[in-house]
Amino acid sequence: DVKVTQSSRYLVKRTGEKVFLECVQDMDHENMFWYRQDPGLGLRLIYFSYDVKMKEKGDIPEGYSVSREKKERFSLILESASTNQTSMYLCASSLPSGGATNEQFFGPGTRLTVL
Amino acid sequence: QKEVEQNSGPLSVPEGAIASLNCTYSDRGSQSFFWYRQYSGKSPELIMFIYSNGDKEDGRFTAQLNKASQYVSLLIRDSQPSDSATYLCAVKRKLTGGGNKLTFGTGTQLKVEL
Repeated sequence: DVKVTQSSRYLVKRTGEKVFLECVQDMDHENMFWYRQDPGLGLRLIYFSYDVKMKEKGDIPEGYSVSREKKERFSLILESASTNQTSMYLCASSLPSGGATNEQFFGPGTRLTVL
Repeated sequence: QKEVEQNSGPLSVPEGAIASLNCTYSDRGSQSFFWYRQYSGKSPELIMFIYSNGDKEDGRFTAQLNKASQYVSLLIRDSQPSDSATYLCAVKRKLTGGGNKLTFGTGTQLKVEL
């Protein structure tokens, strides 16, 4: 059974803290993605990665960075958390994008609150 | 103009009826189209994808694509209360630098009433 796991379901941090969100997939997928989901704004792509050590900016990368040192792990880093980064964060993975299906499998999400 | 647009709803239908969910997209170069279902408090899961004009059926679900009108829809026949969820339309398009990207709409909330 395919599986994408995220390190925390709920997280509360203070403004200015450095925050790490971890995502691990066991499907040997090349592609991994980080989204945030907010009411009325839907899923927005923050960063994605096609391979180890590779990263690409999505639609809203400001205030975030990522790390992909191993194929199965993709980390999202908030260098200095701010209240407007309070959101649901979803990680996803997929096979290489050449196929038509390009199904993305999502993790359970991390609800981050920044106080 | 948003890249992918959906009516936020809620769309209410009686049990057993057909639910029709609609999505429009702006990029004519879009290649394939996906419908995800998201239950409250859960993560999205893929229901169907379509990449050719016309209809594609899978059980009670039918996806319809009209590339000329830049329109994709999802029909749910014999709607059940368990179909109550938010339905996300997603569109895959090529990036100028290579690779491709999935862009999601904001979702339509469906409520199936007894």
